Amino acid sequence: DQQVKQNSPSLSVQEGRISILNCDYTNSMFDYFLWYKKYPAEGPTFLISISSIKDKNEDGRFTVFLNKSAKHLSLHIVPSQPGDSAVYFCAASKWTGNQFYFGTGTSLTVIP
Amino acid sequence: DADVTQTPRNRITKTGKRIMLECSQTKGHDRMYWYRQDPGLGLRLIYYSFDVKDINKGEISDGYSVSRQAQAKFSLSLESAIPNQTALYFCATSDNIAGGTTDTQYFGPGTRLTVL
Repeated sequence: DQQVKQNSPSLSVQEGRISILNCDYTNSMFDYFLWYKKYPAEGPTFLISISSIKDKNEDGRFTVFLNKSAKHLSLHIVPSQPGDSAVYFCAASKWTGNQFYFGTGTSLTVIP
Repeated sequence: DADVTQTPRNRITKTGKRIMLECSQTKGHDRMYWYRQDPGLGLRLIYYSFDVKDINKGEISDGYSVSRQAQAKFSLSLESAIPNQTALYFCATSDNIAGGTTDTQYFGPGTRLTVL
């Protein structure tokens, strides 16, 4: 049973606009969340994280929002750039847990 | 040089063959992981190891075994490969953040395995 879900397999956005990638989770015990970015023929690379004591975390053009009551997080990329075109995975864990659970990924295409 | 390396990068094998995928890391991390990625299913954890003497099953360990030969080396074996083990396999490492679970995981480039 998929505990972390990314319901949009793909997303296309014009360069300079905002990209919003969504992620839902079912396990209320999860309290640590990450986003990874993956280019073809490479392994995923860490992008940004958030713990459940926060509802927002920013790092440059990337912002992650967490809505614990809705069990939902989102990644905002502003402004989007062609180099952001990749597959984005969200992942969740319990802070005292032993493993991360990954979503199925969203393929983002930023159109020049 | 890459911090997390995987060999081979691509492998085609036949049903019933034994195959080993190897992972090495130079990050000095204690924790190592094996995942597989399938289309529409994302990354799923096969096995993980928190130190040389610690091996744990993940979500989908059936049909796989692992060996932690050293802090820097973690191998995944398919004792008798079957076609539904065709997938992209990733090794990952992480540090041990005191008082909690892992923080960032660092992934290798992946091994594409095809079982005919």
